[in-house]
Amino acid sequence: SQQGEEDPQALSIQEGENATMNCSYKTSINNLQWYRQNSGRGLVHLILIRSNEREKHSGRLRVTLDTSKKSSSLLITASRAADTASYFCATPMYNDYKLSFGAGTTVTVRA
Amino acid sequence: SAVISQKPSRDICQRGTSLTIQCQVDSQVTMMFWYRQQPGQSLTLIATANQGSEATYESGFVIDKFPISRPNLTFSTLTVSNMSPEDSSIYLCSAGIVTGELFFGEGSRLTVL
Repeated sequence: SQQGEEDPQALSIQEGENATMNCSYKTSINNLQWYRQNSGRGLVHLILIRSNEREKHSGRLRVTLDTSKKSSSLLITASRAADTASYFCATPMYNDYKLSFGAGTTVTVRA
Repeated sequence: SAVISQKPSRDICQRGTSLTIQCQVDSQVTMMFWYRQQPGQSLTLIATANQGSEATYESGFVIDKFPISRPNLTFSTLTVSNMSPEDSSIYLCSAGIVTGELFFGEGSRLTVL
């Protein structure tokens, strides 16, 4: 079953704007991950944030984690057309390597 | 990191037939998994492919419908048996290493008529 729930379901922004999406989960976790999927292809790992971290950066990506609220956010700054994709948060199942994926946020970046 | 090759990338199948999807990883990995992504949906874990032993299936998935093999650390197959139109999905192979992140193949898009 899916542990992560994301919002919004879809997001449309202009190139150069920032995109923010949120993920909420139900049980305690030791890490949370974000993935990107372009047009029904395979998923690409973006970033992993551990439960003892509050914020992590990777290029134009910024991820936050609030374990007290069981939520995470992914911010994409200065968006580009190539950022058009679906973004999924994922949390470990049963505290092992298996991941449960959220419903995903579809981001469209308009030129 | 790991590079994962899956084949076929897509196929159109007739109802009642079976199809085997192959997954090859370019390095030895700890874990291998098979996910299903139904049209417009998120990913659902089918099973963990265990080297040299029976796969571990998630709730709602059974070996008779989705037999899985993993003869070594870098190769696995998933068979979708006795297909129906409801099996039309993208099937994704993934592999995990000790850091916890997963690497994915490009997926196999099956359409069952």
